[in-house]
Amino acid sequence: GQSLEQPSEVTAVEGAIVQINCTYQTSGFYGLSWYQQHDGGAPTFLSYNALDGLEETGRFSSFLSRSDSYGYLLLQELQMKDSASYFCAVSVGWGKFQFGAGTQVVVTP
Amino acid sequence: DAGVIQSPRHEVTEMGQEVTLRCKPISGHNSLFWYRQTMMRGLELLIYFNNNVPIDDSGMPEDRFSAKMPNASFSTLKIQPSEPRDSAVYFCASSSQGYGYTFGSGTRLTVV
Repeated sequence: GQSLEQPSEVTAVEGAIVQINCTYQTSGFYGLSWYQQHDGGAPTFLSYNALDGLEETGRFSSFLSRSDSYGYLLLQELQMKDSASYFCAVSVGWGKFQFGAGTQVVVTP
Repeated sequence: DAGVIQSPRHEVTEMGQEVTLRCKPISGHNSLFWYRQTMMRGLELLIYFNNNVPIDDSGMPEDRFSAKMPNASFSTLKIQPSEPRDSAVYFCASSSQGYGYTFGSGTRLTVV
């Protein structure tokens, strides 16, 4: 079967670092994306990894290990506005993504 | 750029009625996707189009659901007849690169 696993919730204080792990088991794999979704809003694209390694975009970084079927999203210098749900999504075909259940990140003062 | 535009933002309808959701993708994006989001099932891909042609509709729940894309700037998702279990947020998304979607604001559908 196909599955994506990520923690349901993570809580951290402002200024801290949070790592959201995503492990996957899918019939096809072309890459791993991450999306952010605030309550009542639409998912917004954060990053995409097709190859192994770390991609850095400002305070957010994303990592992929294809051999381990594993990736993570790293949120640094947490801010209150980072409180949201974060989804990993696996590309199982061109343009076709399967989404994980999401991780609720709660940032406290 | 106005982004992906969906209408209506909210829809409340009675069971058995026909519901039509609308989407205008970003100009120049050649792929369009319809997703449904619920607490129980998360984000589910219903159908996607490439260059206005349906490529994969394996996620469409049943024959009550249909989607069309008559041109590059417009798509519809129709549910007929609607049922309470169809209540969800329906998102349309478009993409030009195949790896990063731009989602619309969604349509919150409630079937009573």
